[in-house]
Amino acid sequence: DADVTQTPRNRITKTGKRIMLECSQTKGHDRMYWYRQDPGLGLRLIYYSFDVKDINKGEISDGYSVSRQAQAKFSLSLESAIPNQTALYFCATSEPGANQPQHFGDGTRLSIL
Amino acid sequence: KQEVTQIPAALSVPEGENLVLNCSFTDSAIYNLQWFRQDPGKGLTSLLLIQSSQREQTSGRLNASLDKSSGRSTLYIAASQPGDSATYLCAVRHAAYNTDKLIFGTGTRLQVFP
Repeated sequence: DADVTQTPRNRITKTGKRIMLECSQTKGHDRMYWYRQDPGLGLRLIYYSFDVKDINKGEISDGYSVSRQAQAKFSLSLESAIPNQTALYFCATSEPGANQPQHFGDGTRLSIL
Repeated sequence: KQEVTQIPAALSVPEGENLVLNCSFTDSAIYNLQWFRQDPGKGLTSLLLIQSSQREQTSGRLNASLDKSSGRSTLYIAASQPGDSATYLCAVRHAAYNTDKLIFGTGTRLQVFP
């Protein structure tokens, strides 16, 4: 089983719908992250969480919200999806420390019509 | 603002060649630089992490170097194989911001043909 699991893997939905992307991890890491990847723009950080009670905005948090339900679970919500939120979304985890690598899930491909 | 650039955007080489992928960053105040591999339909796999105090890291046929003062890193792949075909991303963790984020380049798409 994968250490960082994202569900669903693919989702197509309509403008205005509420969507939740889920991430769970078995690595026991305190830190979790949500990124989006767009062609030509690389990965950009949406939100990150240092532990269950510590959630922080990244560089592109507008239009998104998150919930850290447990150490192992971090979900990303789009309250009212819009077409420019069509992207590949990644969850990642790491241990505390400036020099700890981040470990990524396989991504969720989200299309908003 | 830290910016990360990867050149070339795409590269196609015959099997067996040694090759170099380049990554440059505009602000040398970094904690570390990480190289990732991304396969189609898959997430990112961490290949190597070089701390700011280090000059290079090696793993098998991969060698990554870091020249912080010039804002450059290279990923050297020896004796390339078709299985090395993927997109390679570099990312820096910036030391000047009190946030825990990686700043990514847009990647080099590598194809190794038999």
